Amino acid sequence: DADVTQTPRNRITKTGKRIMLECSQTKGHDRMYWYRQDPGLGLRLIYYSFDVKDINKGEISDGYSVSRQAQAKFSLSLESAIPNQTALYFCATSDPHSQETQYFGPGTRLLVL
Amino acid sequence: AQSVTQLDSQVPVFEEAPVELRCNYSSSVSVYLFWYVQYPNQGLQLLLKYLSGSTLVKGINGFEAEFNKSQTSFHLRKPSVHISDTAEYFCAVSPWGGSQGNLIFGKGTKLSVKP
Repeated sequence: DADVTQTPRNRITKTGKRIMLECSQTKGHDRMYWYRQDPGLGLRLIYYSFDVKDINKGEISDGYSVSRQAQAKFSLSLESAIPNQTALYFCATSDPHSQETQYFGPGTRLLVL
Repeated sequence: AQSVTQLDSQVPVFEEAPVELRCNYSSSVSVYLFWYVQYPNQGLQLLLKYLSGSTLVKGINGFEAEFNKSQTSFHLRKPSVHISDTAEYFCAVSPWGGSQGNLIFGKGTKLSVKP
């Protein structure tokens, strides 16, 4: 079984809809991250969490919110989706004792019409 | 603040030829350095990392990278590529003791290996 899983893997939604992307991990890591990937732009950090009570904004947090329901679960929400949020979204985890090596999920491909 | 520049957005190469993917970074503090690979329709996978010590780092699938502090570079190399190496490669840095603990990525280099 994969250590970092994301659901759904693909999602099509309409402008204005609220959607949630979910991430679960079995690696026992405290730190979790959400990134988005756009062609030619690499990965950009949306939010990160160092433990259940710690949530921090990343480079591009506007239009997104997150929830850390447990050590193993970190959800990303788009309150009112817009077309320029069409992207590939990745969840990642890390262990601070391993010099910030991050482990990535398989990604969620989101299309906002 | 840190930034990462991958000098080539696309690198075409023939099978069994050597390849070098270039990465330069900018940082006012010491950093850890990483290369990740993304195969088509998959997530990112760690290829190798430099933390300290020997500047030549060996990773999976025959890749290696060399840290050059004076040139602030961390170029990735492979002496003989295979078709299966076709993927996008990302260089990333993480500052020592950074409060964010996150990675700063370059924009990626697409390696296309042709028969």
